[in-house]
Amino acid sequence: GENVEQHPSTLSVQEGDSAVIKCTYSDSASNYFPWYKQELGKGPQLIIDIRSNVGEKKDQRIAVTLNKTAKHFSLHITETQPEDSAVYFCAAPGTASKLTFGTGTRLQVTL
Amino acid sequence: DSGVTQTPKHLITATGQRVTLRCSPRSGDLSVYWYQQSLDQGLQFLIQYYNGEERAKGNILERFSAQQFPDLHSELNLSSLELGDSALYFCASSVATGGFDEQFFGPGTRLTVL
Repeated sequence: GENVEQHPSTLSVQEGDSAVIKCTYSDSASNYFPWYKQELGKGPQLIIDIRSNVGEKKDQRIAVTLNKTAKHFSLHITETQPEDSAVYFCAAPGTASKLTFGTGTRLQVTL
Repeated sequence: DSGVTQTPKHLITATGQRVTLRCSPRSGDLSVYWYQQSLDQGLQFLIQYYNGEERAKGNILERFSAQQFPDLHSELNLSSLELGDSALYFCASSVATGGFDEQFFGPGTRLTVL
C-alpha cells in the first residue's frame, strides 16, 4: 500500500515568514495529492490539492509543488498569519481510492 | 462548515459496550469514508461505502462494522469496546469514487472508553 512520510512534525515561524511542509510517497500510481488543515476540535479541511498532470498550484498565500520523479510534494504558505496555526496533513491515494495520510505538522505562527 | 454532519459529538462509554456513530454526507455525495484519529496513530482509513456498497477497506477491526443506507447516511458500529478504541472518528464524503475525488470531512465524534 501507499506510505506517506511528512516533515517536520512541528514548525514554528514568525508572523509574515514563510512555512514549508514536505511529504514523500511510495506508490508511483498516486495521482492526487491533497493537503488538509485541522484546527483544534474540528475535522480536517481541504485547503489545496494537486493532480499529477501539473507541477505547481497556487491559491493566494498557499501553493503546492509536486515532483513525481522524486515522489515528493510540498506545501508552501507565504506571509503567515496567526490564523494559519493548525495541524497540516498531506495525503496520497496509492492505487486505491482510500487516502493515506502523513503524520501531520503542527504549525505555530508567533507574533 | 463542510456540509458533512456527524452525531453524536461526544460519546463516553465503558469497555465491552457497543456504540453507533452516525454520518450524513454532503448533499449529492455518494461516497462515505470513515477514519479513526488517535494521538499515536494519526488519521487511519477504516472503510468506504459508495452508493450503499462497500468499496474499500482499511485497517478496520472485526469488532467494527459499517453500512450505508438508501438515503446515503452511514453508521459505524463499534462493539466489544476496549480502552484503545478511544479516539476521534471522522466521516468524510465525496461525489463519486472514480479516479480521485475531494473528500470533505465532518466535525467528528470523540469516543471515550472508560
